[in-house]
Amino acid sequence: DAKTTQPPSMDCAEGRAANLPCNHSTISGNEYVYWYRQIHSQGPQYIIHGLKNNETNEMASLIITEDRKSSTLILPHATLRDTAVYYCIVRVGRNAGNMLTFGGGTRLMVKP
Amino acid sequence: DAGVTQSPTHLIKTRGQQVTLRCSPKSGHDTVSWYQQALGQGPQFIFQYYEEEERQRGNFPDRFSGHQFPNYSSELNVNALLLGDSALYLCASSPYNLNTEAFFGQGTRLTVV
Repeated sequence: DAKTTQPPSMDCAEGRAANLPCNHSTISGNEYVYWYRQIHSQGPQYIIHGLKNNETNEMASLIITEDRKSSTLILPHATLRDTAVYYCIVRVGRNAGNMLTFGGGTRLMVKP
Repeated sequence: DAGVTQSPTHLIKTRGQQVTLRCSPKSGHDTVSWYQQALGQGPQFIFQYYEEEERQRGNFPDRFSGHQFPNYSSELNVNALLLGDSALYLCASSPYNLNTEAFFGQGTRLTVV
């Protein structure tokens, strides 16, 4: 699976949009971009995934650049409960049976 | 739906001992994966079980072994515990042949002293 690069930490004001970048310059054509987050002392939680089109669900939006070498996770109205470590992962296929390769992630701190 | 459940939540063992951790997958899921998460790091894949067989394995020594039962629940066994085995152990479940995300349990915090 391709390696990802994320900033180690970011701050965001409550109620504002949080934009979390991820670089995956060596991504292959059959690899998807997944985002998970981990709130302190809990198991990782799935957020969203995409291949090449932008995606949106009730939690977040995923913007993937046209060359697919980077992406941005957007939390439109961050709340204090969104404080967590956010992991960007790329892997072949959508089959959840394949293992997930976690990097260091981005520690997002939402402040009042 | 109880989701993925793991037991125990916390455990303290002595170096050299053996430990067994347990995981019940989310209803409808037949595949279980185990991850180790050291403090301040991302989870690292240990292995995956499907149809009671180990299907994929990460870079972990054979002191780490597992088992899957006919009801899809799973155990992770670690022999000859080292201080470095202290970590949060996470279980994730998913349906093997469906395109869906993995669901994680809350983990077991293992401390080796």
